Amino acid sequence: AQKVTQAQTEISVVEKEDVTLDCVYETRDTTYYLFWYKQPPSGELVFLIRRNSFDEQNEISGRYSWNFQKSTSSFNFTITASQVVDSAVYFCALSSLILTGGGNKLTFGTGTQLKVEL
Amino acid sequence: ETGVTQTPRHLVMGMTNKKSLKCEQHLGHNAMYWYKQSAKKPLELMFVYSLEERVENNSVPSRFSPECPNSSHLFLHLHTLQPEDSALYLCASSQNPSRVGETQYFGPGTRLLVL
Repeated sequence: AQKVTQAQTEISVVEKEDVTLDCVYETRDTTYYLFWYKQPPSGELVFLIRRNSFDEQNEISGRYSWNFQKSTSSFNFTITASQVVDSAVYFCALSSLILTGGGNKLTFGTGTQLKVEL
Repeated sequence: ETGVTQTPRHLVMGMTNKKSLKCEQHLGHNAMYWYKQSAKKPLELMFVYSLEERVENNSVPSRFSPECPNSSHLFLHLHTLQPEDSALYLCASSQNPSRVGETQYFGPGTRLLVL
């Protein structure tokens, strides 16, 4: 069974601080994909990144960076120099293929509420 | 702009009403999904349609009835709902249903309140 754990329910930081959101996953699949999504107050889930299980290279995109470590089953997300606009709920998710008929099932963590204050 | 739209954005209904949620994707994708997001719970996958055929139904009560008339449109028909069905209902789509790890793109959701 797939499982994603985001142990941090809520994090509050002051603007310009760096913040890391943790994600730990469980899967028996040898090939799998991990995702991060951002959910602002408007409700829409915004796709941030996708990473496959064979690529452990860290990725940086502007102020965002991701650290994938297969040995610890973790896929952590760091925001550098946080801004008020980063305030949102962030979800980590694990993808598995639905074998009977197609489509992908995303298993989500419970999310981390990030509050960035002035 | 994700290319996935949902209407209505907000809906209040009584337990005896019948209503429908609509989702439309403008991305040329071939798989569409309904998710339910309740307070303090992880997002739950409800239904999956791949090439307009339903391939997954995660033990969802029959008071929720999906419909996918073509690859661009997805509906969720609601009838005799319960107050615990109040939630944010999110629609998503992905391009190739037979490929693992396809990115799903979400709509803005319909916030449903059942009185």
